Amino acid sequence: DAGVTQSPTHLIKTRGQQVTLRCSPKSGHDTVSWYQQALGQGPQFIFQYYEEEERQRGNFPDRFSGHQFPNYSSELNVNALLLGDSALYLCASSFSDSLGEPQHFGDGTRLSIL
Amino acid sequence: GQQVMQIPQYQHVQEGEDFTTYCNSSTTLSNIQWYKQRPGGHPVFLIQLVKSGEVKKQKRLTFQFGEAKKNSSLHITATQTTDVGTYFCAGHDNYGQNFVFGPGTRLSVLP
Repeated sequence: DAGVTQSPTHLIKTRGQQVTLRCSPKSGHDTVSWYQQALGQGPQFIFQYYEEEERQRGNFPDRFSGHQFPNYSSELNVNALLLGDSALYLCASSFSDSLGEPQHFGDGTRLSIL
Repeated sequence: GQQVMQIPQYQHVQEGEDFTTYCNSSTTLSNIQWYKQRPGGHPVFLIQLVKSGEVKKQKRLTFQFGEAKKNSSLHITATQTTDVGTYFCAGHDNYGQNFVFGPGTRLSVLP
């Protein structure tokens, strides 16, 4: 039973570029959430996708966008990268978008902006 | 906006000692979840508390949700080296619109 998988593992970009991160949820899960975790900080909620729609969004600018596909996998896109976007990006899946569902996290994508 | 704080930020204990981390929210929470993140790893769900004053136990771990549903604690009895990691609390506000993680408490256990 595969857990949450994310790709790529590491990524290096320069300021102004665009990046796409990918996530496949745990088998049986239909909801995907994305988080940004800066070094030494707690995960910051970016947004959640359910039924191919963005259901909730944290305090992140429009440069951060996403998509969910019919097979429940998801992408996170970040445009016009800034140095401050350097972080670990975590994808978490859960069963339904109901409050209180445990989040199952992937290993993350380490994004470095030069 | 909703803020979640945790104290202490760091805790170093000798193996066998007890450990407690405290979580405080600026707003009332509908639920609270606790996660553990090992160094270099990803957060792993430990438990969820929903009811005011709720107490749950998992072996050496005891979790409490405050009566006002604005604070929570995690207590580990007789720590082991396998307890090393950062413990995060996270919760939804009463409107269910924000799921906010605390900054975490990093636990080091000296053998």
